[in-house]
Amino acid sequence: DGGITQSPKYLFRKEGQNVTLSCEQNLNHDAMYWYRQDPGQGLRLIYYSQIVNDFQKGDIAEGYSVSREKKESFPLTVTSAQKNPTAFYLCASSNPPPSEYTGELFFGEGSRLTVL
Amino acid sequence: KQEVTQIPAALSVPEGENLVLNCSFTDSAIYNLQWFRQDPGKGLTSLLLIQSSQREQTSGRLNASLDKSSGRSTLYIAASQPGDSATYLCAVRLNYGGSQGNLIFGKGTKLSVKP
Repeated sequence: DGGITQSPKYLFRKEGQNVTLSCEQNLNHDAMYWYRQDPGQGLRLIYYSQIVNDFQKGDIAEGYSVSREKKESFPLTVTSAQKNPTAFYLCASSNPPPSEYTGELFFGEGSRLTVL
Repeated sequence: KQEVTQIPAALSVPEGENLVLNCSFTDSAIYNLQWFRQDPGKGLTSLLLIQSSQREQTSGRLNASLDKSSGRSTLYIAASQPGDSATYLCAVRLNYGGSQGNLIFGKGTKLSVKP
């Protein structure tokens, strides 16, 4: 089945530790995104990548890092510099416009990170 | 700056009712608009995608409309069921870039359908 796989589903971290969230897609999409979701705040973009070996900061990139070495994979590292990392993290992918693609966005099931 | 607003933030209806969820946006320079459903603790599931040149899309009991000139989209749910209870989000894809990766989300409407 084609889709986006995020792992782990639940993750607990001690303060001061870096953690990496995995996102893999087999939809052959060029663009991939990482969002953070907090209650009452909606989705906020952390990083996005339109093509392999290239990525851009979103609105809340501080304390996070990403890589895009393969088209299928876009891992997110939550570093110890992120002051309030407890949240629900969502990965998404799409084929961006122009018109030969619909630009439809697909999401993974999410990863919940809790800092102890 | 593009803003996407969904009103109401929460809605409770009895089973069987037809209902409308609203999404408004401030800039009509959009490429498409997408409606999603999110169940608690889960990712977003795509429901309907409307390209900027289209007026509406239908899937089963769902119908989404788009009026770019007024900056509005509606999601119509016919004969609502308890299983429709979820948070519904809309997102617009802009014709230009920006720090949000050219995708702007509303905060969602939490729907509760009572048996």
